[in-house]
Amino acid sequence: EVQLVESGGGLVQPGRSLRLSCVASGFTFDDYAMHWVRQAPGKGLEWVSGISWNSESIAYADSVKGRFTISRDNAKNSLYVQMNSLRAEDMALYYCAKGGDTSGFFLPDHGFDVWGQGTTVTVSS
Amino acid sequence: QSALTQPPSASGSPGQSVTISCTGTSSDVGYYNYVSWYQQHPGKAPKLMIYEVSKRPSGVPDRFSGSKSGNTASLTVSGLQAEDEAEYYCSSYAGSNNYVFGTGTKVTVL
Repeated sequence: EVQLVESGGGLVQPGRSLRLSCVASGFTFDDYAMHWVRQAPGKGLEWVSGISWNSESIAYADSVKGRFTISRDNAKNSLYVQMNSLRAEDMALYYCAKGGDTSGFFLPDHGFDVWGQGTTVTVSS
Repeated sequence: QSALTQPPSASGSPGQSVTISCTGTSSDVGYYNYVSWYQQHPGKAPKLMIYEVSKRPSGVPDRFSGSKSGNTASLTVSGLQAEDEAEYYCSSYAGSNNYVFGTGTKVTVL
């Protein structure tokens, strides 16, 4: 079964850091680009960051650029995001999502075809 | 990058069709044929319904179809069923390895 399982969410004070993880199973992890997408409570989806299969191509939304760092460990079938200088507006459910194309890069874009159940990040003092 | 614009809500009776629009700019929807659509039921993760404007992943019913004209993409759900009631989001590649989602549309089956 193709599966993504996120972890690492929790309550954190503004300005502090948190590292989220996502473990993949049921597919060849290093064949695909991977992404983080977040959803604030009661709000819509927001793409956060993506990484190519070989980590050579990395991109961030402007809202997190300079504060978040995405990475992956293909040997561990794992995706990560290090979130620093957290703000109230970063509070959301964070999903790990698999790119849909076997090129392993952002293009061609076949959508995000597998999603985890998400991990919740709460930023509050 | 501004979110793509979707109507907040849409509705239809069982068996009818509903069409949701997704308006972007000439830098995203209008430039790339990389528009995707996602269905999200309450408390669940999004599910990919359409990619590359009009292609359906395996397992998605052919009642779901997508199209694009200029800066606006559309998702049509034909033969509405109760289980189609959900939030729908469009997404577009926006260049420089960036993506943008739509504001979301709540579809109600009357």
